[in-house]
Amino acid sequence: DTEVTQTPKHLVMGMTNKKSLKCEQHMGHRAMYWYKQKAKKPPELMFVYSYEKLSINESVPSRFSPECPNSSLLNLHLHALQPEDSALYLCASSRGGNTEAFFGQGTRLTVV
Amino acid sequence: GESVGLHLPTLSVQEGDNSIINCAYSNSASDYFIWYKQESGKGPQFIIDIRSNMDKRQGQRVTVLLNKTVKHLSLQIAATQPGDSAVYFCAENIVGQNFVFGPGTRLSVLP
Repeated sequence: DTEVTQTPKHLVMGMTNKKSLKCEQHMGHRAMYWYKQKAKKPPELMFVYSYEKLSINESVPSRFSPECPNSSLLNLHLHALQPEDSALYLCASSRGGNTEAFFGQGTRLTVV
Repeated sequence: GESVGLHLPTLSVQEGDNSIINCAYSNSASDYFIWYKQESGKGPQFIIDIRSNMDKRQGQRVTVLLNKTVKHLSLQIAATQPGDSAVYFCAENIVGQNFVFGPGTRLSVLP
């Protein structure tokens, strides 16, 4: 099983809403990632969790709040987003170090 | 041929021809590289990887070449098929840090 599952696939939210993106992997990977991808651009790293602890926060605004409840799950809590936050949000996992990262299909987020 | 401009660079090839997608990476300390394929509406899919102690690695119909002297990576796809149409990203990694993606190249396979 080399699958990273993200839900929901699509999300439309207002600027005053609170929503959460979910990610799950059962490969026993110790590192999990959130990336943001705008149209025609490469994925940009937002957060990294290593052994369920936040190890990297790439200066992401506080309206994005990550959470790693256990080694298989990764959430991204969203609050008071702006229209420019509309993008494809990708979750990935890896064994850590120099090993390949497996990506989910992403959540297409639209902020209205 | 290849075009670069304000939009995503695009490489157009005839079906059955070989494709070569190039990538210039930024950090001379990067020691692990991956090529990803991303189809429309999907997440990036692993194609092939290479470590800095190698200069060539082959997979099924794909070959990655690494030239550390000029910080250049290439992906060769043999006998390109319509299903190969996608955006291709190279990603570099430094031990203890995380993957940084290149700008991407759109491969368009012509019938």
